[in-house]
Amino acid sequence: DAGVIQSPRHEVTEMGQEVTLRCKPISGHDYLFWYRQTMMRGLELLIYFNNNVPIDDSGMPEDRFSAKMPNASFSTLKIQPSEPRDSAVYFCASSFSSGSGTGELFFGEGSRLTVL
Amino acid sequence: AQSVTQPDIHITVSEGASLELRCNYSYGATPYLFWYVQSPGQGLQLLLKYFSGDTLVQGIKGFEAEFKRSQSSFNLRKPSVHWSDAAEYFCAVGATGGSYIPTFGRGTSLIVHP
Repeated sequence: DAGVIQSPRHEVTEMGQEVTLRCKPISGHDYLFWYRQTMMRGLELLIYFNNNVPIDDSGMPEDRFSAKMPNASFSTLKIQPSEPRDSAVYFCASSFSSGSGTGELFFGEGSRLTVL
Repeated sequence: AQSVTQPDIHITVSEGASLELRCNYSYGATPYLFWYVQSPGQGLQLLLKYFSGDTLVQGIKGFEAEFKRSQSSFNLRKPSVHWSDAAEYFCAVGATGGSYIPTFGRGTSLIVHP
């Protein structure tokens, strides 16, 4: 069974360019999370979806960031325009909710973004 | 709201030595508790989890953790560390009941000397 699949694994872009990160969650999982990891701030939750609906986007740093989940098998995180301070590793994770809530998170391998 | 503290940013041990990584949480009721490991260039992988029952939980790769309610702790242990255990370790806490979102600690970087 395939795990969470993220693309691209590495992205180098110039300031001002649009960046789109993609995620395919594990089939059957109903929660999807986007995290950002940096040395300074650690692992930050940006946004999460339940059944394709955004539930909490309070972690999204600015209006430059947007996320969508058009269907159960695909999500995107877009940064437009990108800035050097957006350089980080972005993780997608998915989870299956039992009757009492979500359990283990399954993480993708991450997308390392460098904005020059 | 729940929170997690991992007081040690870095831990250095010699191969074959025992290991204990500390985790303290803040939550009003019995939480769900997790330890994840992140190898360089990889995503996070679950080591073990505590939901209820026996307070000593066994995980993968020879790790175990003990839930101590009185100390609000969930420390991770391993009796003998291998060089391949060098990684970043994250403790996470989730609320029980209904839908919850886990809160992660800042992580502890484990360095293993030969």
